Parts: sequence; C-alpha cells; structure tokens
Amino acid sequence: DIQMTQSPSSLSASVGDRVTITCRASQSVSKYLNWYQQKPGRAPKLLIYTASSLQSGVPSRFSGSGSGTGFTLTISSLQPEDFATYYCQQSYFTPYTFGQGTKLDMK
Amino acid sequence: QVQLVQSGAEVKKPGSSVTLSCKASGGSFSNHAISWVRQVPEQGLEWIGTIVPRLGIGSNAQKLRDRVTINADTSTSTVYMELRSLKSEDTAIYFCAGGMTTSTTWFDPWGQGSLVTVSS
Repeated sequence: DIQMTQSPSSLSASVGDRVTITCRASQSVSKYLNWYQQKPGRAPKLLIYTASSLQSGVPSRFSGSGSGTGFTLTISSLQPEDFATYYCQQSYFTPYTFGQGTKLDMK
Repeated sequence: QVQLVQSGAEVKKPGSSVTLSCKASGGSFSNHAISWVRQVPEQGLEWIGTIVPRLGIGSNAQKLRDRVTINADTSTSTVYMELRSLKSEDTAIYFCAGGMTTSTTWFDPWGQGSLVTVSS
C-alpha cells in the first residue's frame, strides 16, 4: 500500500497568514493527489483534485502543487472558516490511501 | 449536482453484520462511482471499496475484502455496504462518496456519514 505522510500534523496560525501543508507519498502517484478539508462533525469536502485543480466553488486562496511523491496545499490568506483538518489522498493505486491529517487551529 | 443521503446510526453486537445504504438524488447516478470510506472518531480516513453502479463492478480494500460486500440498486439509485463479523475496531463513521468511473477518481460529493457502534 502507498503510505501518505503529511507534515506538520498540527499547525497554529492567525487570520491572514499564508499556510502550507506538505504531503509525501511512499512511491510516485503521478498527479493523482487530492486534498480535503474536514470540520468537526462534518464529512470531508474536496478542495483540490489531481494535485492542482481547484474544485468548483472552492475559494481561490486555496492552491495545490506537486507531482510524483511531493505535494503541497497552500492557503494564501487564512480566513476564520479555514480552521479545520486537512487530508491528502492518493487515487493512483488501490487501496486509495489518505494522509493522517493536519489540524489547523487558531494561534 | 448529485446529493448522497445515508441511512442512520446503528448499534451492533460483535460478530453480527450491518448494512448501510447511500441514496443518490438530484443528478445522474449512473455516471458516478460510489465509494465507502470510514473514519474512527478523531482518527484518519480509510477507503473500504468502490462500485460503479451502472456496471455492477468495483474493488474493495484487501484488509476488509473477506467481510465487506458493496452492491447497487440502479432502480432506486441506492448503494449498499454490508460489513460482516463485526469487531469493536469496526466502530467508526462510515461515509459514502461519489466519484468518476475511472480508477483515478477523487471523492466528491460525500454523504453525511453513518455512525456504527460495535459493542457487547
């Protein structure tokens, strides 16, 4: 199985900050890396698919980049509604696997 | 836009089985794959399996393959997941999620989740 490792596991930031979360795959997943946001008591929400494509309706302050084994999710200017847990997920090989999550909270 | 509505919470005894449902509405069910993903409370996400309802084929995670069955009723736009021989470690929130019919799909949209509690 492909192991997905996110860093950091938790992150404290302030409104307006630029935030970057990293996801590393144990082997190449090409461009097939997706990012989700999850708030407590809610289902995950797709933000970015195939590494850099912004899902419809997602604010443009979210962006993704990378290929192969290294990927990043960037929030350009953190907003109050962005405090949540973020997961990466590879969809190149089954079993599809997720990172362990990055919890973003308010400093 | 397809919306996915899941069945309610379940409490089960160890060794029993549970069947969860996921009903699609508001769009074309036949153009989607439906996956099941579970989440132990406060922990990470685990893919269980995927089915393409139009074709009736899919794949499941090796870890659960002997205990899980996913099938679809296209006449009612509903996908079912049965998990057998339940263990305490199967206690989790189970989500269904839509996706493309290609293997490189992402998961969108998601159902609201169904809590399964396994306890004696």
